[in-house]
Amino acid sequence: SQQGEEDPQALSIQEGENATMNCSYKTSINNLQWYRQNSGRGLVHLILIRSNEREKHSGRLRVTLDTSKKSSSLLITASRAADTASYFCATAPPGNTGKLIFGQGTTLQVKP
Amino acid sequence: EAGVTQSPTHLIKTRGQQATLRCSPISGHTSVYWYQQALGLGLQFLLWYDEGEERNRGNFPPRFSGRQFPNYSSELNVNALELEDSALYLCASSLVGGNTGELFFGEGSRLTVL
Repeated sequence: SQQGEEDPQALSIQEGENATMNCSYKTSINNLQWYRQNSGRGLVHLILIRSNEREKHSGRLRVTLDTSKKSSSLLITASRAADTASYFCATAPPGNTGKLIFGQGTTLQVKP
Repeated sequence: EAGVTQSPTHLIKTRGQQATLRCSPISGHTSVYWYQQALGLGLQFLLWYDEGEERNRGNFPPRFSGRQFPNYSSELNVNALELEDSALYLCASSLVGGNTGELFFGEGSRLTVL
C-alpha cells in the first residue's frame, strides 16, 4: 500500500504565484524525497531531506519535514509555466531496502 | 554524460506473452531499480539490483523477474502477461545503493497488454 498521501491532488495557479504541496506518511523514514514527472515521462529528482533535517532549499524550492506529524511540504515560489507537471513525494523506509514508497502525486498546472 | 536509457519506448503484447524491457544505468552507477506506474495504482517498487545481485523485490508475483549484467545494465522480464500489467515501467539508477540517495530515472517503457 502507498505510504505517502499527497494533498491537494490537483492545483491550478497563475504564473508568478507560489504553489504548496503537502505529503503525509505513516511510518518512520530514513529520508523523504520529492520528484517531478512531466506527462507520462521519467521522474526528475528535486530534493532530498533527511529525517534529522527540518528544512531545505534548492533554488525556488523549499521543503519542510515534520517527523512528529509525519508530514512534508514542497513550496515552489514564483511559479513558471514550465513548472507544470506532477509532483511526487517518496519516503525511504528505515534500513537499506532500496525501496522508495511514492505518494499518488499532485498535478500542478501553471497558467501563463 | 548520458542519462539512464530504456528500451523499447513502447511495447504492445497480448495476454499470455512475455515482455522484456531493458535499461542502461548512468556510467559509474552500480545500482538499478525497477518501478511500475500503472493507472490508478501509482508508482510501485518492483526490483533492486546491485553489483549483479537482486537485493530486494516488491510485492509482485514471481512472473516478474529480471537480472543485472556485468556492465550493470539490467533487463526486466514479465512472463504470462495479464491485462493489468499494462503500465509505464521505469528504471532508475543510483551512485549509492539503497534508498539513502537520489534516483536518476529513465524515460520509461510503456507496455500495453491486449
